[in-house]
Amino acid sequence: GAVVSQHPSWVICKSGTSVKIECRSLDFQATTMFWYRQFPKQSLMLMATSNEGSKATYEQGVEKDKFLINHASLTLSTLTVTSAHPEDSSFYICSARGGGAQGLFEKLFFGSGTQLSVL
Amino acid sequence: GESVGLHLPTLSVQEGDNSIINCAYSNSASDYFIWYKQESGKGPQFIIDIRSNMDKRQGQRVTVLLNKTVKHLSLQIAATQPGDSAVYFCAEKGTNDMRFGAGTRLTVKP
Repeated sequence: GAVVSQHPSWVICKSGTSVKIECRSLDFQATTMFWYRQFPKQSLMLMATSNEGSKATYEQGVEKDKFLINHASLTLSTLTVTSAHPEDSSFYICSARGGGAQGLFEKLFFGSGTQLSVL
Repeated sequence: GESVGLHLPTLSVQEGDNSIINCAYSNSASDYFIWYKQESGKGPQFIIDIRSNMDKRQGQRVTVLLNKTVKHLSLQIAATQPGDSAVYFCAEKGTNDMRFGAGTRLTVKP
């Protein structure tokens, strides 16, 4: 199956600093990538949808200036948490969807997640 | 708004027994559903999917049932094994994204 690589798998940072998380589709071109946030024992909450070459679409309540998303190529999307604070501590997960073949179009392939801890 | 939810937050079964995890959805127009398995500290893993023109689909040890009349989805795991212990999510395909239910934690007792 398709592989999505997410890096780093965990990061600890000081309050006020920025953190960048990368999401790469390794063996397919991802026309659309999604970023989710997950708190302990809770479900995945969609933060934003990014299409290659265009601005991301953010879900209601998600600050676009705080969670910067860049999808500059068909294989890479990045999420930057700017001026991170302890309340931003969470598990962030990306997923990618390819175009073309029906299987890739409808099935999402997930990264392994990034655990962010802001001190 | 439209949402996908689960009836049971936790489920504990004996190894070798069958497991049934349930999910209710509210968007009657949804036409595609996926069950995911998520182990601690990892991203969701695709298990099985089903389209709305089907009411049952079987995989290896797993079966998904779809009842459109009552907008209910279930995942059946046969001969549950310790490696099946995880959180299971149903997800509903939206226009351009996938929306997740609350999740059920399955614990398999040896």
